[in-house]
Amino acid sequence: DAKTTQPNSMESNEEEPVHLPCNHSTISGTDYIHWYRQLPSQGPEYVIHGLTSNVNNRMASLAIAEDRKSSTLILHRATLRDAAVYYCILRDVRNQGGKLIFGQGTELSVKP
Amino acid sequence: GAVVSQHPSRVICKSGTSVKIECRSLDFQATTMFWYRQFPKQSLMLMATSNEGSKATYEQGVEKDKFLINHASLTLSTLTVTSAHPEDSSFYICSATKTSGGYYNEQFFGPGTRLTVL
Repeated sequence: DAKTTQPNSMESNEEEPVHLPCNHSTISGTDYIHWYRQLPSQGPEYVIHGLTSNVNNRMASLAIAEDRKSSTLILHRATLRDAAVYYCILRDVRNQGGKLIFGQGTELSVKP
Repeated sequence: GAVVSQHPSRVICKSGTSVKIECRSLDFQATTMFWYRQFPKQSLMLMATSNEGSKATYEQGVEKDKFLINHASLTLSTLTVTSAHPEDSSFYICSATKTSGGYYNEQFFGPGTRLTVL
């Protein structure tokens, strides 16, 4: 599975939008883009995933560049509970075993 | 739905003893379960992939004789850390995917088990 690059940390103010970038320049045509987040002292939780088109769900939006070499996770209104480490992960659709390889992620802090 | 539990949540043991950690899918059947380890301020490191009724597949560098994994049913996988030493102290996290998930087998993670070896 191809590698991703994320900033180590980002800061946001409460109730403002947050854009978390992820670079994946070596992405292949069969790689899905997944985002998981890990709150302090907890296991990770699924946020969103996509292949080519932008995606929205109740937690966030995923904007995927046209060339698919980068993507952005968008939290529309950050809350204090969104403070977590956000992981951008690529997984090949042919990887039916489903394993996820976590990178370092972005630690998001939210200021009141 | 899709809840994964782990037991115990926290364990302290003496060096040389073995510790068993359970991972259960509470409201779904899990074809595949995964075990991760996470050291402080670091990312999750995949240790092994466990399929019900078959031997686990370990990632490179993970000692299979030290970290015994059993996936005896579609709702339970166990990780046993044998002859634990202080360097095995870590946060152990399991995850599971549904049998009926189709291609997109979202992983559902447990809350983790913090192991401290004295």
